[in-house]
Amino acid sequence: DTGVSQNPRHKITKRGQNVTFRCDPISEHNRLYWYRQTLGQGPEFLTYFQNEAQLEKSRLLSDRFSAERPKGSFSTLEIQRTEQGDSAMYLCASTANYEQYFGPGTRLTVT
Amino acid sequence: AQSVTQLGSHVSVSEGALVLLRCNYSSSVPPYLFWYVQYPNQGLQLLLKYTTGATLVKGINGFEAEFKKSETSFHLTKPSAHMSDAAEYFCAVSGPNNDMRFGAGTRLTVKP
Repeated sequence: DTGVSQNPRHKITKRGQNVTFRCDPISEHNRLYWYRQTLGQGPEFLTYFQNEAQLEKSRLLSDRFSAERPKGSFSTLEIQRTEQGDSAMYLCASTANYEQYFGPGTRLTVT
Repeated sequence: AQSVTQLGSHVSVSEGALVLLRCNYSSSVPPYLFWYVQYPNQGLQLLLKYTTGATLVKGINGFEAEFKKSETSFHLTKPSAHMSDAAEYFCAVSGPNNDMRFGAGTRLTVKP
């Protein structure tokens, strides 16, 4: 399968804990994006990478959030000291020809 | 800055009826426009896109959309709804760095 994959698919954590999500993009895509989607809303842009360089971060990405793409392949999104407001679906996408291919998402529930 | 407004958070049609989902955009540069479909607990799947050229674009599953610059619209249509079309639909405009701005979505219900 050459699609975008994300792990885990679901994560339940207690408030204050740290969580990390992984995204594996389509191998030849050099741009990778992270989005957050809350219930009843469209995805909101968080950040994107061109190869290993993080080129833009949304104001939604507070200092508790950090994203990396160490070798320009897979990416991780870490949330420190999770809050209930962080509960959402976190989507990853990679790009070819202005078309973004989305992974299935990681649903985070903070209790 | 780019933005998208989807008119109508819920649309309900009968099976076999016309589907019309409305999208208006705002963009300071020539827009790239997209429609995505999302089924429950899944990621987004591209239905169709407009970049340049022909303003009427055809996508998967019988959907099409027309880019109307004068109306800043990119409405999604399908002549005959099928039960399997029930899902959430998102219109999106691509920004200068290909970062997308999505609308709030329209939930399509198809009645038998």
